Amino acid sequence: DTGVSQNPRHKITKRGQNVTFRCDPISEHNRLYWYRQTLGQGPEFLTYFQNEAQLEKSRLLSDRFSAERPKGSFSTLEIQRTEQGDSAMYLCASSWAGGGNQPQHFGDGTRLSIL
Amino acid sequence: SQELEQSPQSLIVQEGKNLTINCTSSKTLYGLYWYKQKYGEGLIFLMMLQKGGEEKSHEKITAKLDEKKQQSSLHITASQPSHAGIYLCGADGNTDKLIFGTGTRLQVFP
Repeated sequence: DTGVSQNPRHKITKRGQNVTFRCDPISEHNRLYWYRQTLGQGPEFLTYFQNEAQLEKSRLLSDRFSAERPKGSFSTLEIQRTEQGDSAMYLCASSWAGGGNQPQHFGDGTRLSIL
Repeated sequence: SQELEQSPQSLIVQEGKNLTINCTSSKTLYGLYWYKQKYGEGLIFLMMLQKGGEEKSHEKITAKLDEKKQQSSLHITASQPSHAGIYLCGADGNTDKLIFGTGTRLQVFP
């Protein structure tokens, strides 16, 4: 059973550059979530998809952030014109929606560092 | 909006000791999830609790949800170095996203 996979694991970039992260969920899961976690804090919700539809976006997701899940399988999260405050761990999770609460399963995250 | 408070923030115990971590919600919990995280890694799902008074165990870890569904506890019996990490409680508040507490950092020394 393959878990949630995220790439890259680490990304270091200069302020102002664009970055893109990829998440491959557990294959039978129809929901995919993005969270952001800063040091010493719990993860904060950014957005989520059911199949290819983006159902909710947090106020944390500024106009510089965009997420896609074009075929209802993998997802990408792009940050344009990165800022120092974007430095964080970006976590992806997936779950199966249908028939009650189901736990979200997380990937190992992408750690973004802005120079 | 719902908030989760975890206590203690940090815990250092000697191997073999028992310990308890608490998670208190500002609103009724519809689903309460416990995760473990090692530094720089993702979250590992431990247990999910939904019903008031529910209790679940896995190996030496037991989680309970109180009858009023506003507080949960995680108890580790005979702690081992492998239990070290950050324990996070998360709640879905009858929505589809999870809201997390700030975590409890556990260190276990020999």
